[in-house]
Amino acid sequence: EDKVVQSPLSLVVHEGDTVTLNCSYEVTNFRSLLWYKQEKKAPTFLFMLTSSGIEKKSGRLSSILDKKELFSILNITATQTGDSAIYLCAVEPAGTASKLTFGTGTRLQVTL
Amino acid sequence: DVKVTQSSRYLVKRTGEKVFLECVQDMDHENMFWYRQDPGLGLRLIYFSYDVKMKEKGDIPEGYSVSREKKERFSLILESASTNQTSMYLCASSLSQGGSDTQYFGPGTRLTVL
Repeated sequence: EDKVVQSPLSLVVHEGDTVTLNCSYEVTNFRSLLWYKQEKKAPTFLFMLTSSGIEKKSGRLSSILDKKELFSILNITATQTGDSAIYLCAVEPAGTASKLTFGTGTRLQVTL
Repeated sequence: DVKVTQSSRYLVKRTGEKVFLECVQDMDHENMFWYRQDPGLGLRLIYFSYDVKMKEKGDIPEGYSVSREKKERFSLILESASTNQTSMYLCASSLSQGGSDTQYFGPGTRLTVL
């Protein structure tokens, strides 16, 4: 059974801090790992990672995958209150209709 | 932009009622998914469909059924709602099977069963 574990479960930081969110996984026949941000409603896509060691970057957010150690991290630099959300990690095995297994998420709160 | 819409944002039903949750996507995606999201449990897959009239059980299909009569529409049915089905229900779609395709989510339906 595929499994995704995220840590920490929740985190409170001050605006301007840098945070690192962790995602470890077990999946049969890995295809990709995805990060989503969920504010009040629908999760919105952040990154898809398929290859080890290649950093994906979007503004202050970046993510990298280690396929040997089976984990990924999501970094957010210079955090802002608008970064407050639940961050979800999911893995996709090969050979299925994009069937994802999600972690329980990390709840990030950025305070002034 | 991909748009996934769900028929209701909030829904309150009574135990034993039949409940229909509708999801529509406008990007001609082949795959559609129904999840429920509960605190501490994350998103769990109920059912998914990779083509019209095709469906596959996810991780927690018990108590649910689905229907996909048209490509753009995927319905989740609770035949006899129970209080333990109170949850946030999220629909998603993705382009095609094979290759990595991002799932796009609808806004969610918060269902309360009394």
